Amino acid sequence: KAGVTQTPRYLIKTRGQQVTLSCSPISGHRSVSWYQQTPGQGLQFLFEYFSETQRNKGNFPGRFSGRQFSNSRSEMNVSTLELGDSALYLCASSSHGQGEAGELFFGEGSRLTVL
Amino acid sequence: ELKVEQNPLFLSMQEGKNYTIYCNYSTTSDRLYWYRQDPGKSLESLFVLLSNGAVKQEGRLMASLDTKARLSTLHITAAVHDLSATYFCAVDATSGTYKYIFGTGTRLKVLA
Repeated sequence: KAGVTQTPRYLIKTRGQQVTLSCSPISGHRSVSWYQQTPGQGLQFLFEYFSETQRNKGNFPGRFSGRQFSNSRSEMNVSTLELGDSALYLCASSSHGQGEAGELFFGEGSRLTVL
Repeated sequence: ELKVEQNPLFLSMQEGKNYTIYCNYSTTSDRLYWYRQDPGKSLESLFVLLSNGAVKQEGRLMASLDTKARLSTLHITAAVHDLSATYFCAVDATSGTYKYIFGTGTRLKVLA
């Protein structure tokens, strides 16, 4: 069974631009979460979607947004990029059904560099 | 605010030695997860601990959970070079929210 797929893997943007990252979860998984990983802050929760609804959101400014489509694929968008947004953005999927363990399965990540 | 603390942050050990990584958390969650990350790679799930007293073992790694003490341990037995990686523990911010808070990570280097 295919794993979590994230695109693009690498991208370089300049300050003020915006970026859209895509995530395709494991087939059958309806929950998609996004995390930001930086050397200074570690792994930080951005948001989680389930059946096209955002269920939880982390402490990030409104420039960070996301959505989930009916096929469970998800996108996240960062507008007005800042240098501090340079990070590895990780997407994770989970089945999160009743009685499930809640284990997250991560994609390879999208490494964003803001110049 | 939920805090998840790991120690040590860095661990350099000789092959063949034993060591334990500790994960303390400040919520009442009864679920805890351990992940491994190799340099430049994504996170790989190692263990899912779902109740107090849970113990899981895979090869040279063994994880346990004490929800009363809000403590999980990852024990490494007879370390080998291939175990060199960064290890993270993670906890559900509030039970059932699916908002996971990760520890700071423990960077393990096993020296031959």
